[in-house]
Amino acid sequence: NAGVTQTPKFRVLKTGQSMTLLCAQDMNHEYMYWYRQDPGMGLRLIHYSVGEGTTAKGEVPDGYNVSRLKKQNFLLGLESAAPSQTSVYFCASRGPMGLQPQHFGDGTRLSIL
Amino acid sequence: QKEVEQDPGPLSVPEGAIVSLNCTYSNSAFQYFMWYRQYSRKGPELLMYTYSSGNKEDGRFTAQVDKSSKYISLFIRDSQPSDSATYLCAMSANTPLVFGKGTRLSVIA
Repeated sequence: NAGVTQTPKFRVLKTGQSMTLLCAQDMNHEYMYWYRQDPGMGLRLIHYSVGEGTTAKGEVPDGYNVSRLKKQNFLLGLESAAPSQTSVYFCASRGPMGLQPQHFGDGTRLSIL
Repeated sequence: QKEVEQDPGPLSVPEGAIVSLNCTYSNSAFQYFMWYRQYSRKGPELLMYTYSSGNKEDGRFTAQVDKSSKYISLFIRDSQPSDSATYLCAMSANTPLVFGKGTRLSVIA
């Protein structure tokens, strides 16, 4: 089973460039999440979605936009990349019941020069 | 005060040792508690999860939740070099998970 797949795995951008990170899950999960992970900061929630067509802000949403046009996909966009957005980005998904755990992808390593 | 506090380590133990990893939290509404293991350059993977207080055992791993003290623990018995990873606690009140910063564990053969 593929589970949660993130594309691309690595990317280097210049300041001001834009890009979209793609997360795809094949588990028919309702909930999807985008996190960033930085040294000493742990996992911080950027945006999340509780179903197709819905999105909500997390702890650190500034500078990012998201879309959930299809249930299986959750896109994270950076409109004008900044060096502070250099990080490892993780996507996760889970089913609708409270105790169901989140399943993570293997991350996208993004460097902004 | 952060909602979830976790000692970042690093923690280094000899093979075969019993390892104790801990988190404290401040939000009394948390009722779902999880432990994730993250190997280098990989995503977190679920190790254990519990609802409310009590113990749960799975092989060499035991998770404990003490809601009265707002304290959760993960015990690893007979630790192996393959257990070397970062361990993240996470908890939720049927809201997005809140993660600790993770404890880096090294098990030395």
